[in-house]
Amino acid sequence: EVQLVQSGAEVKKPGESLKISCKGSAYTFTNYWIAWVRQMPGKGLECMGIIYPGDSDTRYSPSFQGQATISADKSINTAYMQWSTLEASDTGIYYCAGTYGPGRAFDYWGQGTLVTVSS
Amino acid sequence: SYELTQPPSVSVSPGQTATIACSGDRLGDNYGSWYQQKAGQSPVMVIYEDWKRPSGIPERFSGSSSGNTAILTISGTQAMDEADYYCQAWDSSTVVFGGGTKLTVL
Repeated sequence: EVQLVQSGAEVKKPGESLKISCKGSAYTFTNYWIAWVRQMPGKGLECMGIIYPGDSDTRYSPSFQGQATISADKSINTAYMQWSTLEASDTGIYYCAGTYGPGRAFDYWGQGTLVTVSS
Repeated sequence: SYELTQPPSVSVSPGQTATIACSGDRLGDNYGSWYQQKAGQSPVMVIYEDWKRPSGIPERFSGSSSGNTAILTISGTQAMDEADYYCQAWDSSTVVFGGGTKLTVL
């Protein structure tokens, strides 16, 4: 069974950096694109960007360009979302989701990583 | 930027049919997908490529598309179907989600 397993909850202070992960198993990691989807408290789903781990082709949604960095290490079947300077407004649940590619649906979702940024 | 518009809420009585619409300027040019998110859980795909149902999703879930509107229909709605539902489509290489619809089964 395909699984996307995300790293655990994080509590950070404004200005700190953070890197969260999403590890794929039971499938060929480079068969899927991985998207990062933000859900702020009580709000809807927003796609921040998407990466193809095979060659690290990365596409950011216009609203999130420059806010965080998406990367992947295909040797360990893991995708990452990284912030260099967190803000309180980054608080939310971050999901990774897998799709066969642009135009396709998201077949698999991780369990979510809760990020809390508070002083 | 491209937007998908859904009603914020829909209410339905148990056993009745729930219909959730999603409209977007270019939906007719791209496939739409639907996701169910129950409280405290990750989203689950219930419809892809406008009308296809993944294995394991009950037959009471169906999807359709007409012009620039995608529609999710839940026939014989059950209490377990109470959740938030999101439509999703692609705009070039960007992923867009609708704002979500809270389905209440009264």
